[in-house]
Amino acid sequence: KAGVTQTPRYLIKTRGQQVTLSCSPISGHRSVSWYQQTPGQGLQFLFEYFSETQRNKGNFPGRFSGRQFSNSRSEMNVSTLELGDSALYLCASSSTGGLRTSGTDTQYFGPGTRLTVL
Amino acid sequence: SQKIEQNSEALNIQEGKTATLTCNYTNYSPAYLQWYRQDPGRGPVFLLLIRENEKEKRKERLKVTFDTTLKQSLFHITASQPADSATYLCALMDTGRRALTFGSGTRLQVQP
Repeated sequence: KAGVTQTPRYLIKTRGQQVTLSCSPISGHRSVSWYQQTPGQGLQFLFEYFSETQRNKGNFPGRFSGRQFSNSRSEMNVSTLELGDSALYLCASSSTGGLRTSGTDTQYFGPGTRLTVL
Repeated sequence: SQKIEQNSEALNIQEGKTATLTCNYTNYSPAYLQWYRQDPGRGPVFLLLIRENEKEKRKERLKVTFDTTLKQSLFHITASQPADSATYLCALMDTGRRALTFGSGTRLQVQP
């Protein structure tokens, strides 16, 4: 099975711009989560999508948004970019069946998109 | 407040020795705990999961213990090799929000 893929791998933007990142999960995985990783804050949860619905959300401002398509592919968008948004954005997929008390939510991560905001 | 703490200082050990990494947590009641490995410029890779009712889990040279009384997990790599050099992250499932919360990771450097 192919792993999680993310595009683009690297991106340079300027303050005030917006950006869209893409993630294709492992075939058959319906849950896609997004994380932001920075040296200072570590790996922080952004949001999770399951069957095209946002199921969970982290503590990030509304400038961060996402969506999931019927084929489970997901995109995340960051509007009005700030310098502090420079980070590695990681997407992870999981085969969790959707029941809140079952499954182990093992996350299969993609290689990430390195976003630099100038 | 909820916290997951891993030693932020790098751990340097000699090849062949056992590496022990610590993960402490506060104000969580995790159903399970996971350990991941992350190499520079790459996404984390799942290694092991241990549930709250398990004391110990092994996989090849890896061993994880979980003490819910101490609120601590220990991750051991026996007979360590330079190829084991990486950052190791622990993660808890926050059942209330259904989101994995990660520690900041500990960098392990195995010297040949």
